[in-house]
Amino acid sequence: EAGVAQSPRYKIIEKRQSVAFWCNPISGHATLYWYQQILGQGPKLLIQFQNNGVVDDSQLPKDRFSAERLKGVDSTLKIQPAKLEDSAVYLCASSLEKGSSYEQYFGPGTRLTVT
Amino acid sequence: GNSVTQMEGPVTLSEEAFLTINCTYTATGYPSLFWYVQYPGEGLQLLLKATKADDKGSNKGFEATYRKETTSFHLEKGSVQVSDSAVYFCALSANTGNQFYFGTGTSLTVIP
Repeated sequence: EAGVAQSPRYKIIEKRQSVAFWCNPISGHATLYWYQQILGQGPKLLIQFQNNGVVDDSQLPKDRFSAERLKGVDSTLKIQPAKLEDSAVYLCASSLEKGSSYEQYFGPGTRLTVT
Repeated sequence: GNSVTQMEGPVTLSEEAFLTINCTYTATGYPSLFWYVQYPGEGLQLLLKATKADDKGSNKGFEATYRKETTSFHLEKGSVQVSDSAVYFCALSANTGNQFYFGTGTSLTVIP
């Protein structure tokens, strides 16, 4: 079974530029998550989708971050404009459903460096 | 609220030594508890989980027991190998919507 795919793997941009990340979850997984992992910290949930609807975006900085999952399959996360403190690894994960007994499967992440 | 406090690293052990990584949690309701591992250059992988009090999760020689009375989920392995070198994350899943809360991670290096 193919895992969670993410691209690009690495991105370097200057502050105030915009950037977009793409995620393709495991086929058939209804729930998709975006996490931000700052160096030396654990992943922090940014947004959770159930199919194409948002379940939780309480920790998403909505003034600069946006995400969509229009057809309930793949998803994009955008940052506009980027700040230095956005430098982090952005992880996408998916699970079959949103119940707590369902394992989350993680992609390899996109490492963003903002200079 | 929900949070996970994890033993700080880095931890360096000799091969075949005993490993304990401490993890305590704060949660509303009855969370599920997880240990994830991140090998160098790879994504997070589930190592083991426990979904209710007194459950023991185990995998690849690692074990952790869900202790509700001490709100703990400590990771243990009797004899570590060089291949166990990785970063280990303790996490909990809130029982509504499966939101995950991660600890800060513990880096383990096993030397031959």
